[in-house]
Amino acid sequence: NAGVTQTPKFQVLKTGQSMTLQCAQDMNHEYMSWYRQDPGMGLRLIHYSVGAGITDQGEVPNGYNVSRSTTEDFPLRLLSAAPSQTSVYFCASRPRDAGGGEQYFGPGTRLTVT
Amino acid sequence: QQQVKQSPQSLIVQKGGISIINCAYENTAFDYFPWYQQFPGKGPALLIAIRPDVSEKKEGRFTISFNKSAKQFSLHIMDSQPGDSATYFCAAVYSGYSTLTFGKGTMLLVSP
Repeated sequence: NAGVTQTPKFQVLKTGQSMTLQCAQDMNHEYMSWYRQDPGMGLRLIHYSVGAGITDQGEVPNGYNVSRSTTEDFPLRLLSAAPSQTSVYFCASRPRDAGGGEQYFGPGTRLTVT
Repeated sequence: QQQVKQSPQSLIVQKGGISIINCAYENTAFDYFPWYQQFPGKGPALLIAIRPDVSEKKEGRFTISFNKSAKQFSLHIMDSQPGDSATYFCAAVYSGYSTLTFGKGTMLLVSP
């Protein structure tokens, strides 16, 4: 199993550009989430999904869109990039019955918005 | 509103010493408390976890102590090694809910 994969690893955007961060998992996990990690702020939840076709907002959803058309994929879209979205983005997944805590994280995407 | 408070923000421990990281939570509905370890350039990975029906869980050199009445839990790393240098996150989750609430992280440096 490849686990949770994320592409790209690094990305530089100009303010106002849009892009999609890709996330895929091959563990047949129902739950998937997107986090951003900023210095001193920990991991903050952006959006999450409890299954194909079902998504919901987390703590910091503004400026981001998600969709979940398949169990495997959970892309994160930046609609109009802003410097405040410079961060490291992590995708995570877990099975429905994992008791809440056993999330598997991808390697992250480091995004810089200039 | 920060539901899980973690301290200290950073910690330097000598090799062989004990590293202690503390977390406090507010929501009494939380029923699962994992710790994640993150090395530079990598995603976090589950290290150890505890449920509130036990006061302590030990896995090798890593121990979680849990105080339900005080709504606090802590991670102890015995005989700390340079390879333990990483960022540690505590988290809390209500199993009837699908997401975790993370502390802000502790950057641990174990000096040789």
